[in-house]
Amino acid sequence: DGGITQSPKYLFRKEGQNVTLSCEQNLNHDAMYWYRQDPGQGLRLIYYSQIVNDFQKGDIAEGYSVSREKKESFPLTVTSAQKNPTAFYLCASSIGQQSEKLFFGSGTQLSVL
Amino acid sequence: QKEVEQNSGPLSVPEGAIASLNCTYSDRVSQSFFWYRQYSGKSPELIMSIYSNGDKEDGRFTAQLNKASQYVSLLIRDSQPSDSATYLCAVNPSGTYKYIFGTGTRLKVLA
Repeated sequence: DGGITQSPKYLFRKEGQNVTLSCEQNLNHDAMYWYRQDPGQGLRLIYYSQIVNDFQKGDIAEGYSVSREKKESFPLTVTSAQKNPTAFYLCASSIGQQSEKLFFGSGTQLSVL
Repeated sequence: QKEVEQNSGPLSVPEGAIASLNCTYSDRVSQSFFWYRQYSGKSPELIMSIYSNGDKEDGRFTAQLNKASQYVSLLIRDSQPSDSATYLCAVNPSGTYKYIFGTGTRLKVLA
């Protein structure tokens, strides 16, 4: 079945540590996105990528980094510079044309130890 | 002013009633509008998309778009307890690949 796979489902970060969230899709989608969701809040865009080897900052990119070396993969690293990383992280993809719907992965809940 | 605004709720309706969810947006040239349903702890799933003024119906769901007034709404007919969730409105501004989400409206359908 085609879809988006995020791992791990739960992740704990120690202070000063970088952690990486995985996102893989087999939908052959060109565009991929990372969103952050805090309790009772909407989704806020961290980074997005329209094609391989290219990505753009979203509204809250500080303290995060991404790479897009393969069409299928768009990992997100939460660096130690992100002082408040506890949130639900959602990866999404779309065909890549404007106005197309987003498909979401199942999410990763990141917490700070 | 927030780019996409929704009443956070909760909106409580009895089972079998019509639930009406509203969303306003600030970008006049936005082209695409989406309603996602999100259960607690889960990822959003697409309910409806709408691109033109007017109504679009899909089963018990109807999306309504009024670009002149910059609002989009979602009607859920014959509401069921399983419809209890948070409904997110999303807007795709013209000429961008960004999708801007509202904070969501929490719907409770009372059995």
